[in-house]
Amino acid sequence: NAGVMQNPRHLVRRRGQEARLRCSPMKGHSHVYWYRQLPEEGLKFMVYLQKENIIDESGMPKERFSAEFPKEGPSILRIQQVVRGDSAAYFCASSLLGTGQSGANVLTFGAGSRLTVL
Amino acid sequence: QQQVKQSPQSLIVQKGGISIINCAYENTAFDYFPWYQQFPGKGPALLIAIRPDVSEKKEGRFTISFNKSAKQFSLHIMDSQPGDSATYFCAAVKGAQKLVFGQGTRLTINP
Repeated sequence: NAGVMQNPRHLVRRRGQEARLRCSPMKGHSHVYWYRQLPEEGLKFMVYLQKENIIDESGMPKERFSAEFPKEGPSILRIQQVVRGDSAAYFCASSLLGTGQSGANVLTFGAGSRLTVL
Repeated sequence: QQQVKQSPQSLIVQKGGISIINCAYENTAFDYFPWYQQFPGKGPALLIAIRPDVSEKKEGRFTISFNKSAKQFSLHIMDSQPGDSATYFCAAVKGAQKLVFGQGTRLTINP
């Protein structure tokens, strides 16, 4: 089991460019979460997705950020027209359970994608 | 707003000592409290977790103490080793909703 796979591990963009971060969940997991970690800070929830559906995007900035989890392929976090404040580590996590299901929501995290905006 | 407050922000402990990290929460509906360990350049990994119906859970050198009335829980690392040097995050969740994380504690174990 390869775990949660994220790529690229490091991404450098200039202001105004687009950043695309990809996440493949653990085998058998159909629930994907994106978290953002700013330097010296904790993890902030951004969005929760299931296949082809956005379930909770309450932590996602209203502009420039979007996420998808298509029927086939990885989940994508897309940041348009990046600004320096977008520089952060973006972590994807997957779980067997999701909201609305009983049991503890144990998340398995990927190694993260570190975005640097010049 | 659901919050989890974690302290200290950083901690230095001598090898063999006890490392203690504390967290406090506000929402009494939280029913699962995991701790995550994160090494530099890596993603957080689940270390140990507890439900509020027990006051303590121990796994090897790691122990969670839980005080429901005070809405506090803590992580104790016994016989701390240099390999324990990492950032530790407490978290809380209600049912199967999204995890709410503390701010993190950077732990350094001096040899």
